[in-house]
Amino acid sequence: GAVVSQHPSRVICKSGTSVKIECRSLDFQATTMFWYRQFPKQSLMLMATSNEGSKATYEQGVEKDKFLINHASLTLSTLTVTSAHPEDSSFYICSARVGADYEQYFGPGTRLTVT
Amino acid sequence: KQEVTQIPAALSVPEGENLVLNCSFTDSAIYNLQWFRQDPGKGLTSLLLIQSSQREQTSGRLNASLDKSSGRSTLYIAASQPGDSATYLCAVSGAGSYQLTFGKGTKLSVIP
Repeated sequence: GAVVSQHPSRVICKSGTSVKIECRSLDFQATTMFWYRQFPKQSLMLMATSNEGSKATYEQGVEKDKFLINHASLTLSTLTVTSAHPEDSSFYICSARVGADYEQYFGPGTRLTVT
Repeated sequence: KQEVTQIPAALSVPEGENLVLNCSFTDSAIYNLQWFRQDPGKGLTSLLLIQSSQREQTSGRLNASLDKSSGRSTLYIAASQPGDSATYLCAVSGAGSYQLTFGKGTKLSVIP
């Protein structure tokens, strides 16, 4: 089946620093990747939609200059949290869509803690 | 704006019991509906995907139904096991869009 990986699985950083999270589709080419954020006991909230070779589309309320998304290839998308603050601490999950199949395959998530 | 509601928020059942999880959505113009499982601190595992033209899907002990016109879906788990303990999430994608809108999930505990 379609496998999506994320790296790192956990990261702790100091306030003011930047953190990069990678999302890879391991056995398929993903035309579209999605980035979600999940706060404790809350559901997943879509942050942005990323299409290979084009700029990401951000959801309302998500700062594009703070959450930089790059989708340089059909198997890799990165999310960079710039100048991280404690309120950015959350669980970040990516997913990938396979071609015309609207099913999304999810990565294992990245736990970000900003101290 | 699509809203997805899952009831109950938490459920505790003894092992072996059959159970039903409920999901409702406000906009019936959906492309598909997915049920996911999420273990604590982990990502999502897709359980079942129902296209808007389908009424139900089955996988092993799981059966998901979809009534698009009434904006409802149910996930039926037969003969529950302690390993089924997890949070179950329902998500819908809008017609013409591949974006998923998630419910808050139902946390299931199966007691041995």
